[in-house]
Amino acid sequence: DVKVTQSSRYLVKRTGEKVFLECVQDMDHENMFWYRQDPGLGLRLIYFSYDVKMKEKGDIPEGYSVSREKKERFSLILESASTNQTSMYLCASSLFVARLAGGSHEQYFGPGTRLTVT
Amino acid sequence: AQSVTQLGSHVSVSEGALVLLRCNYSSSVPPYLFWYVQYPNQGLQLLLKYTTGATLVKGINGFEAEFKKSETSFHLTKPSAHMSDAAEYFCAVRGGYNKLIFGAGTRLAVHP
Repeated sequence: DVKVTQSSRYLVKRTGEKVFLECVQDMDHENMFWYRQDPGLGLRLIYFSYDVKMKEKGDIPEGYSVSREKKERFSLILESASTNQTSMYLCASSLFVARLAGGSHEQYFGPGTRLTVT
Repeated sequence: AQSVTQLGSHVSVSEGALVLLRCNYSSSVPPYLFWYVQYPNQGLQLLLKYTTGATLVKGINGFEAEFKKSETSFHLTKPSAHMSDAAEYFCAVRGGYNKLIFGAGTRLAVHP
């Protein structure tokens, strides 16, 4: 079974703190993703990475950065946490699909980290 | 560009009743379509997916969905709801390069 783990299930931080969210996958997937989930808004992509040291901005990258030094690990960093970053954060991974190839793009998700910034 | 619309943010059914969760998509490329389920305080789990081939797709826990190209729809159904089906359900479509675009979600409540 694919396993995606996230470092914390619940996290409480103060405004202005630097916050690290860690994600590890054990299926040798090339792609990794960070989403935030808010009621009524579904999942919104923050950043994704398709290779080590590669990253691309998603739909809402402002206030976040990422790091991918190893294939299995993808970190989300909140440089200076703010209350509007209180949310559920979900990490996912998937196999890389070449542009003209088939492949389902199926993503596998971790359990999520519920972050509260006070 | 790709997008997903889920009609109804909340759906309530009685135990044993038909479950119908609606999903319409927009895609400029042949769509790959997915339904995920999220139980409280958990991540998302794949229920089923359509890539190519048979348009009626069967998934886990008795769910199925039918891809209808003419209607740009991929509605999720289950003949008989169970209390354990109470969860949030997300429809998704293949987005840009190696990405998925998710709908806003539908929360399913099942009452006795």
